[in-house]
Amino acid sequence: QSVLTQPPSVSGAPGQRITISCTGNNSNIGANYDVHWYQQLPGTAPKLLIYDNTKRPSGVPDRFSGSKSGASASLAITGLQADDEADYYCQSYDNSLNICVFGGGTKLTVL
Amino acid sequence: QVQLEQSGAEVKKPGSSVKVSCKASGGSLSFNTISWVRQVPGQGLEWMGRTIPILGIGFYAQKFQARVTITADKSTNTAYLELSSLRFEDTAVYYCARERAQVSFDPWGQGTLVTVSS
Repeated sequence: QSVLTQPPSVSGAPGQRITISCTGNNSNIGANYDVHWYQQLPGTAPKLLIYDNTKRPSGVPDRFSGSKSGASASLAITGLQADDEADYYCQSYDNSLNICVFGGGTKLTVL
Repeated sequence: QVQLEQSGAEVKKPGSSVKVSCKASGGSLSFNTISWVRQVPGQGLEWMGRTIPILGIGFYAQKFQARVTITADKSTNTAYLELSSLRFEDTAVYYCARERAQVSFDPWGQGTLVTVSS
């Protein structure tokens, strides 16, 4: 059972917008720790997609955006493309467990 | 740009130990924190611990504390994860990653598959 809760799967048609939620509690996201998002393509290592809640590393298209409110965060992807099909993970820090924590991951299917 | 290159796949017997390496290029390991994250096949990501090479210390998730040692050799720019008393359920891909400010991870190594099999 992951500390951060994500939906197991989401889907959307090419060109559409989807969002992936990440829900924590007052020991992690709600304690004002930053949320980061990773994209993991099949058979590859995770790649940093969004850091510090809303920032994009160099090279990440602006179709990807992040937001945070209270004890939850969201990743939005607009203009869905076939090669966005991947697993997406949120991550933060938990001050009661004193560890970095991940969500369980969300599998994005592009229909 | 720092890049991380990990050692190759391992097959180990239950009860034995494994040591996985993570060599940094394009930058000094000394000024970075390196974390290790594992992924059991078909499952999510799990943080195991970190080393701060410039301080020569490691921090571990309680779940792994009794069995894991994370170290770094500044002279070879290489970090190591050693996991002992291996169990079948330790079969996983083990990733090293540079830990940035606010505890995000970038870049990641390519991953090392450790298979525990009798």
